[in-house]
Amino acid sequence: DAGVIQSPRHEVTEMGQEVTLRCKPISGHDYLFWYRQTMMRGLELLIYFNNNVPIDDSGMPEDRFSAKMPNASFSTLKIQPSEPRDSAVYFCASSTGGGLRNEQFFGPGTRLTVL
Amino acid sequence: KNEVEQSPQNLTAQEGEFITINCSYSVGISALHWLQQHPGGGIVSLFMLSSGKKKHGRLIATINIQEKHSSLHITASHPRDSAVYICAAGEAGGTSYGKLTFGQGTILTVHP
Repeated sequence: DAGVIQSPRHEVTEMGQEVTLRCKPISGHDYLFWYRQTMMRGLELLIYFNNNVPIDDSGMPEDRFSAKMPNASFSTLKIQPSEPRDSAVYFCASSTGGGLRNEQFFGPGTRLTVL
Repeated sequence: KNEVEQSPQNLTAQEGEFITINCSYSVGISALHWLQQHPGGGIVSLFMLSSGKKKHGRLIATINIQEKHSSLHITASHPRDSAVYICAAGEAGGTSYGKLTFGQGTILTVHP
């Protein structure tokens, strides 16, 4: 298996633009997580899905952020409009059984820079 | 809200030394994860444990549920162990079921 796949790996955009990050989880995994990592705040959970359904989105910072999982093999995280403070590395991870019982497999991350 | 505290924040060692990184959490959990983040940015899960001890190669993770404390040990450290080590607590119930809360990470540098 190729592992968790994220695209793009790097994104540079200007403030106000829409940004879409993509994730393909490991086949057979029923949980998908979106995380954000910054120097100031470290790793933070933004949202997670179980069987394509959002379970907890309390970490989504504001309405500019939205996430979807239209099927078991694809998820997107969208920021519209983007702001410089959104600059961070965004990780997607997948697992079976959620964060309580099973190892999470992380994608390589998308490094987002908003100018 | 579950707080996860790691210590030390920075750790420098000489090759061959025994290393311990500590993690404390504030509320009940179902599992404690240890992650490793390499200088290139990739994150790898090292351990997931809910009791006792686990060992993988030169890495050992222990957890004391009563004391809400976990440790990650590295025996015979090597420069390739240089990375950021992050502990994360899996919340046990309520609306945060399954959610991971992360410590701030420990930056380990092992010199040859």
